[in-house]
Amino acid sequence: DGGITQSPKYLFRKEGQNVTLSCEQNLNHDAMYWYRQDPGQGLRLIYYSQIVNDFQKGDIAEGYSVSREKKESFPLTVTSAQKNPTAFYLCASREVVGNTQYFGPGTRLTVL
Amino acid sequence: DAKTTQPPSMDCAEGRAANLPCNHSTISGNEYVYWYRQIHSQGPQYIIHGLKNNETNEMASLIITEDRKSSTLILPHATLRDTAVYYCIVRGPAAGNKLTFGGGTRVLVKP
Repeated sequence: DGGITQSPKYLFRKEGQNVTLSCEQNLNHDAMYWYRQDPGQGLRLIYYSQIVNDFQKGDIAEGYSVSREKKESFPLTVTSAQKNPTAFYLCASREVVGNTQYFGPGTRLTVL
Repeated sequence: DAKTTQPPSMDCAEGRAANLPCNHSTISGNEYVYWYRQIHSQGPQYIIHGLKNNETNEMASLIITEDRKSSTLILPHATLRDTAVYYCIVRGPAAGNKLTFGGGTRVLVKP
């Protein structure tokens, strides 16, 4: 069953702690993306990666970090430097041929 | 990417067709029209996309006007599970990065 998985679905952390969100895909897609969505708002791009071992900052990269050591995986770390980390985080990947992005189910992060 | 305009909300009766309009008057010749939907607290779901010809898949049909300045997404037999925010996005083939979601249309399917 192909797709994009994100874990966990809900995550609670104390203020000042770093937290890593998982994103895995078995679609053989080269490109992967992280977006953030705040209540009632659209998606904002955090980071993206077009290929293994390479990634670029999106519009709101400050306070976040990523790695892309494997094609299937693109974890996102929300650091203590991110001032308002509570949000819904969405991972996506893009097919090799074509331009369609497919999304995972999301992780809702709440920082207490 | 070209800007799109969608009505903020619409209601639809269960079992009837839902026709969702989108205006994209500044679309360029090589830009595609994409439709996604987002059910509450879930990730956006890809529905369909097209360039100039009408397209149909198992989820919906996409009708693009001849001048390409507007399009309509058709859900042929709406069900309660189709209640969601529907986003119309226009982007070119080289725009491999971010998707820009506008306000979308909040569709409520009523029994």
